[in-house]
Amino acid sequence: GAGVSQSPRYKVAKRGQDVALRCDPISGHVSLFWYQQALGQGPEFLTYFQNEAQLDKSGLPSDRFFAERPEGSVSTLKIQRTQQEDSAVYLCASSYTGINQPQHFGDGTRLSIL
Amino acid sequence: AQRVTQPEKLLSVFKGAPVELKCNYSYSGSPELFWYVQYSRQRLQLLLRHISRESIKGFTADLNKGETSFHLKKPFAQEEDSAMYYCALSEPGTYKYIFGTGTRLKVLA
Repeated sequence: GAGVSQSPRYKVAKRGQDVALRCDPISGHVSLFWYQQALGQGPEFLTYFQNEAQLDKSGLPSDRFFAERPEGSVSTLKIQRTQQEDSAVYLCASSYTGINQPQHFGDGTRLSIL
Repeated sequence: AQRVTQPEKLLSVFKGAPVELKCNYSYSGSPELFWYVQYSRQRLQLLLRHISRESIKGFTADLNKGETSFHLKKPFAQEEDSAMYYCALSEPGTYKYIFGTGTRLKVLA
């Protein structure tokens, strides 16, 4: 594909529901990143994958957040028992190698928790 | 801890006027610095990075280690420059970006 693809673009869920957000990175990109962007803020790092290995999950705000990339390409960010404070735009980015390389971002998924 | 500060949430300038978007960082070493831009209804995209020392769309940014700044400048603003601009820092040899809160630039006709 031409760029990083994220789905769905918008997601509305009731508090307590589980949600899954998908990211399809640029073909050949080894590194994949998830960011959370709250209203009026810059993106904040959540987690990083190199191929299928999750090398850093230090930014995940709680154990309700879980990310995977089982085959080293598509990634899923799952949020269990959603809370209102989880409402944000979730951005996925990929880069060729990861280290000090420009990251290419998707359009994001806007998650609203009612 | 590393931090990126963009003190202006909104900056309005007239077309043809010079523009400077401020970015200050806190980091003791030599970071990698980037400017990302998000035009209306578009995704975040890289505008420039300091190691490239290039000018993109007329924008330049110089790393000032003494002032720990990486301000983005353009001598003559255009209406199409209206967008959200984010400054980001990455530690050398790492992958994690730390973003500022962003500055919305409005170029008025």
